[in-house]
This record gives sequence, C-alpha cells and structure tokens, in this order.
Amino acid sequence: GAVVSQHPSWVICKSGTSVKIECRSLDFQATTMFWYRQFPKQSLMLMATSNEGSKATYEQGVEKDKFLINHASLTLSTLTVTSAHPEDSSFYICSARDWQAVNTEAFFGQGTRLTVV
Amino acid sequence: KNEVEQSPQNLTAQEGEFITINCSYSVGISALHWLQQHPGGGIVSLFMLSSGKKKHGRLIATINIQEKHSSLHITASHPRDSAVYICAVRGSQGNLIFGKGTKLSVKP
Repeated sequence: GAVVSQHPSWVICKSGTSVKIECRSLDFQATTMFWYRQFPKQSLMLMATSNEGSKATYEQGVEKDKFLINHASLTLSTLTVTSAHPEDSSFYICSARDWQAVNTEAFFGQGTRLTVV
Repeated sequence: KNEVEQSPQNLTAQEGEFITINCSYSVGISALHWLQQHPGGGIVSLFMLSSGKKKHGRLIATINIQEKHSSLHITASHPRDSAVYICAVRGSQGNLIFGKGTKLSVKP
C-alpha cells in the first residue's frame, strides 16, 4: 500500500527556536497534503491543507506566520513551527492523497511529537 | 455538538469478546474512515467506506448512509487490538473530520 514518511518522529527544542517537520509520499504523487495536530486526550484537528505549488489553506485559529507550510513538489510538504513556545508542544501528523484517485484511503505519516522546553 | 460522535469513549473487554464501536455523523460525506491509533501516536487506516460493509480479518465495518451511522466490530478480540479507534469523515475539501476516538483495552 501507499506509504507516507514523516520525519522526525520526535523532537525536543528550546523556546524561540524553529522546527521543521517533513512529510513525504514515497510511492505516489500527492497534490494535497493535510497537517493535523493532536493535543493530549483531544481529537485530531486539521491545521492546514497544503497544495502543491500554491499557498496553504489554514484553518481558523491557526497562525499562518507561525506554522509555515511549503509544498514545493508532489512528494514533499514541510511544516515549520517558528519561534516555538511550550504551548506548541503537541503531536503533529500529516496525511496525503493520491492525485490519481478521486476518493482514496487516508495515508498517514508516522507523526511527530514536539516538545518545546 | 461535534460533527462526528463516537461511543463509547472507553471500552474494556476480555480477550475473545465481540466488540462494537459506534460512530454517528451530522454532515454530508463522501466517505467514512476507521482508523487505529497506537500509543505512540502512529495512525493506521483500517477501512474506508461509502456504503455497505467491509471485512478484513477479524474487523468488520458497516455504514448506513440514511441513518448517518457506522459501526466497527472486532470479533475474537485480542490484547494486541488495544488501541484508540477513530472514526473520521471526509469533508468537502478532502480533509478528514475526526471523532474523539474510542480507547479500547482488551485484557488477557
């Protein structure tokens, strides 16, 4: 089946620094990737929709200048958490869709657990 | 009210029991997904449904479009089935709208 690779799987960073998370579709092309965030004991929430070659669409309440998304190719989207604060500590996960399929399975990355100290 | 409601929130079962997790949704959908999230956070897609019923091994998923309801069944449950099971519906932009999940614990 299709594989989405997310890296890193966990990261600890200091307040004020930036962290980049990568999401790659390994065996299919993904025109659209989704970035989700999950706080402890909460459900997954969509942060933004990343479209190849265009600006990401952010959900209400998600700061686009803080969470920078780049989808420069059909196989790679990156999420950069800028000037990280402890309240950004969360589980971040991406999913991707195969552009050739109209209605496809949801292929998820492994997720990234971010801890800001 | 959440757009996707799951029940129960927590479920403890003995090994071998038949398990049912329910999901109701209030929005129009093109597909419904059942996902399994392991303690480390990783998510595996179990099923994608738009109608009827699907079976994979000991897992069965059904959906009733008219009633906007889906169920996930696990037959002959095993401790390795312990995980959080999440129902998600596909929104108009292709993104998923998640339920809060059902934490299943299967005791030996």
